Amino acid sequence: EAGVTQSPTHLIKTRGQQATLRCSPISGHTSVYWYQQALGLGLQFLLWYDEGEERNRGNFPPRFSGRQFPNYSSELNVNALELEDSALYLCASSLPGSDNEKLFFGSGTQLSVL
Amino acid sequence: EDQVTQSPEALRLQEGESSSLNCSYTVSGLRGLFWYRQDPGKGPEFLFTLYSAGEEKEKERLKATLTKKESFLHITAPKPEDSATYLCAVRGGADGLTFGKGTHLIIQP
Repeated sequence: EAGVTQSPTHLIKTRGQQATLRCSPISGHTSVYWYQQALGLGLQFLLWYDEGEERNRGNFPPRFSGRQFPNYSSELNVNALELEDSALYLCASSLPGSDNEKLFFGSGTQLSVL
Repeated sequence: EDQVTQSPEALRLQEGESSSLNCSYTVSGLRGLFWYRQDPGKGPEFLFTLYSAGEEKEKERLKATLTKKESFLHITAPKPEDSATYLCAVRGGADGLTFGKGTHLIIQP
């Protein structure tokens, strides 16, 4: 069974540009979570999507946005990139039901903003 | 606001030298405490979920325990392949998990 897949593996952008990160959850998983892991910091919760709807978002500015498609894959968009957006962006998926927090993570997209 | 503090930040052990990692938490209504392992360049890998004080879970050389204020991850006779960053997370009143910064564990042969 395929795990959570993320693309691209690495992404290099310059300040002010936009970045789009993609995630495909494990088959049968309907919830997708996005986390930011910056150097020296813990995983910071960004967004949670379930059944195509945004269910919750963390303490991040509106230029961080995303969506979930009918096939449950998800996209994270970061507009007006800033240097401090450089981080590993992790996607995770879980089975249906908000009480199921056993998250399965992908290997992440390393975003570098120059 | 849910908070998770892990200690130590880094730990270097000799192969076979047992030790414990600490996770202290503040949460409004604990709905689960999670331990993950993260290897360099990879996403976190699920290890355990604990739900109530007194609960314990084991997997190979790892045992996780939970009290009302903290959790411990005990590593018995570790091997070099146990080297990784171990992450603790809680689920409280808010949706989503709150993670600690992790403990970077190095096991020297």
